[in-house]
Amino acid sequence: AQKITQTQPGMFVQEKEAVTLDCTYDTSDPSYGLFWYKQPSSGEMIFLIYQGSYDQQNATEGRYSLNFQKARKSANLVISASQLGDSAMYFCAMRETDSGYSTLTFGKGTMLLVSP
Amino acid sequence: DVKVTQSSRYLVKRTGEKVFLECVQDMDHENMFWYRQDPGLGLRLIYFSYDVKMKEKGDIPEGYSVSREKKERFSLILESASTNQTSMYLCASSEPGQGTDTQYFGPGTRLTVL
Repeated sequence: AQKITQTQPGMFVQEKEAVTLDCTYDTSDPSYGLFWYKQPSSGEMIFLIYQGSYDQQNATEGRYSLNFQKARKSANLVISASQLGDSAMYFCAMRETDSGYSTLTFGKGTMLLVSP
Repeated sequence: DVKVTQSSRYLVKRTGEKVFLECVQDMDHENMFWYRQDPGLGLRLIYFSYDVKMKEKGDIPEGYSVSREKKERFSLILESASTNQTSMYLCASSEPGQGTDTQYFGPGTRLTVL
């Protein structure tokens, strides 16, 4: 079974509108972390936002917020007031610890296109 | 700011060649990682290192080896490159115990094996 599932291969949004990118995860570890990264066409992975499994409040970073629903094992990224520069691939990732080492497992990504 | 650099943005090699991909980070991070990224498959972990001279296999280590002789440098080695190793290779580093243990990535190397 996939540990990270991003069901939307592509999403379209108009400039200035909000968009939600879906992410569900699967883990039996009580302590984990969830990340979202942005990858523009240049290729570099840019860290956007983090949510810890014990965090009580949803994480926010500027126009990015993470809608964390622990019971449903979902960690959706919400981008408010979309900009043309938001067009990119977006990856959800989960950090787990195994044998003392923390590694990330990534979803397959969602391509976001923002139109004028 | 964390800075992770990779030796080449684009690389073209021939089948059977030995290929070295270099990664350097300037934040004194303990952990370093090598991933490959293929369309529709996301990022997959090849190897990681949690200390100098230490390494651990990731999910797809076959056909690759790594070297970490200095803390800031982590090398990925393709002993005999094959066409199925044509891919985007991404290096990352992180500092364990710093709360989130966020991984910071380099710009990537697009490797083509002919």
